[in-house]
Amino acid sequence: QVQLQESGPGLVKPSETLSLTCAVSGYSISSGYYWGWIRQPPGKGLEWIGSIYHSGSTYYNPSLKSRVTISVDTSKNQFSLKLSSVTAADTAVYYCAREVPTGFDYYFDYWGQGTLVTVSS
Amino acid sequence: SYELTQPPSVSVSPGQTARITCSGDALPKKYAYWYQQKSGQAPVLVIYEDSKRPSGIPERFSGSSSGTMATLTISGAQVEDEADYYCYSTDSSGNHRRVFGGGTKLTVL
Repeated sequence: QVQLQESGPGLVKPSETLSLTCAVSGYSISSGYYWGWIRQPPGKGLEWIGSIYHSGSTYYNPSLKSRVTISVDTSKNQFSLKLSSVTAADTAVYYCAREVPTGFDYYFDYWGQGTLVTVSS
Repeated sequence: SYELTQPPSVSVSPGQTARITCSGDALPKKYAYWYQQKSGQAPVLVIYEDSKRPSGIPERFSGSSSGTMATLTISGAQVEDEADYYCYSTDSSGNHRRVFGGGTKLTVL
């Protein structure tokens, strides 16, 4: 059974960098698939942040691209998110998920439980 | 930027059929997917590739797509189906952008 678990600080100061890690168990990242980050502000909808392939190639949401970096560490079977210059608008539950490439498009099949990150001084 | 549009809310009585729509210009070329999110929980995939149901998802959940509109149908909705539902797809412009609809709150009472 594939499991994903987000970890990282729950509170980040404005203008600083948000950093989260997603640990994957039950599946080796280096075996394939894409791995993505999605966020959900309190009371609002889901927003795709970006995705990374096990080889390191990335796709980012154009609206966040200038501030986002996603990386993968296959030796630790985990991938990470960095979001710079955060503001209160970045307060959200952040989810990591496994992403299935179908050759035609992509979709998320396994999700972490999510972690709330609050941006506040 | 590419958008998927859903109604904010749908309400049905238990046992009735609930239909949630999702419109997007790329849907004639791209599959629609549907996620169910109950309060405080992570989303769960209930329909993939327009109309396929993952294992473990009840048969009352079905999906269809025609032209620029995809539809999630819950036949004989149960109280436990009350949740937010999100459609999802990808942009067809070649930029590999993943997009979620704004979500629909389904009330069953």
